[in-house]
Amino acid sequence: EDKVVQSPLSLVVHEGDTVTLNCSYEVTNFRSLLWYKQEKKAPTFLFMLTSSGIEKKSGRLSSILDKKELFSILNITATQTGDSAVYLCAVEADSNYQLIWGAGTKLIIKP
Amino acid sequence: DTGVSQDPRHKITKRGQNVTFRCDPISEHNRLYWYRQTLGQGPEFLTYFQNEAQLEKSRLLSDRFSAERPKGSFSTLEIQRTEQGDSAMYLCASREGGETQYFGPGTRLLVL
Repeated sequence: EDKVVQSPLSLVVHEGDTVTLNCSYEVTNFRSLLWYKQEKKAPTFLFMLTSSGIEKKSGRLSSILDKKELFSILNITATQTGDSAVYLCAVEADSNYQLIWGAGTKLIIKP
Repeated sequence: DTGVSQDPRHKITKRGQNVTFRCDPISEHNRLYWYRQTLGQGPEFLTYFQNEAQLEKSRLLSDRFSAERPKGSFSTLEIQRTEQGDSAMYLCASREGGETQYFGPGTRLLVL
C-alpha cells in the first residue's frame, strides 16, 4: 500500500534556529512530491519536486528530493514565529493524480 | 486566497441530517478534488473529477457520501444521514493539467 511518513511529528525550537523536516515515501508510479504549510486553515503550497538532487528555494525555505532513497527534506533557516505551522508532505502518483499525504510535522517556534 | 472558494465555511448539524457543501474551483482548472481532514492528520483523499467526469470515487467513505460536478465547473459534496464521526474539515482543491493543487479554505463540519 502506498504510504508517506513524516518525521518528526512535532518539533519545538527557538527563533533563529534552523530546522530540517523529513518525508519518506513508498508510492507506486511516483510523479511528484509536494510540500504544503498549514496554519489554522487549508494547506498552502510551498514546493513541487519531481527530479532528484535539484534544490528548490524560496527565501529561507528550501527542499530537495532523493528518488533513489525515496525521501525529501524541507529546510527552514533563521526560523521566525510566523513559521509555526503544520508542514505537510504529499506524493502524487501517476495513476490518478491523487495525493497521498503524510500526517504532517507540527513546528512550533518559540520567541 | 488561492481562488478556490468553498461554501459554507462552517456547518453545524444534528446527527441524521443531510448536508451539502459547494466548491468553486479556479475557473480554468479542469481537475477538482475533495479531501477530508481530521485533527492531527493529513488530508484524506475522497474523490476527484476531470471536467464533469468522476474518475475516482472508491475512496468515498461510505455510500452516504456522494459528489457531483454536473457542468464541469463547481462541485458539490453531499453527506446523507450524518454521524458524529463525519465531523471534520472538508477540503476542495483544483488544478490545471500537471500543475500543483490549490486548496480552498475548507468547510468545517460539526455533527452534534
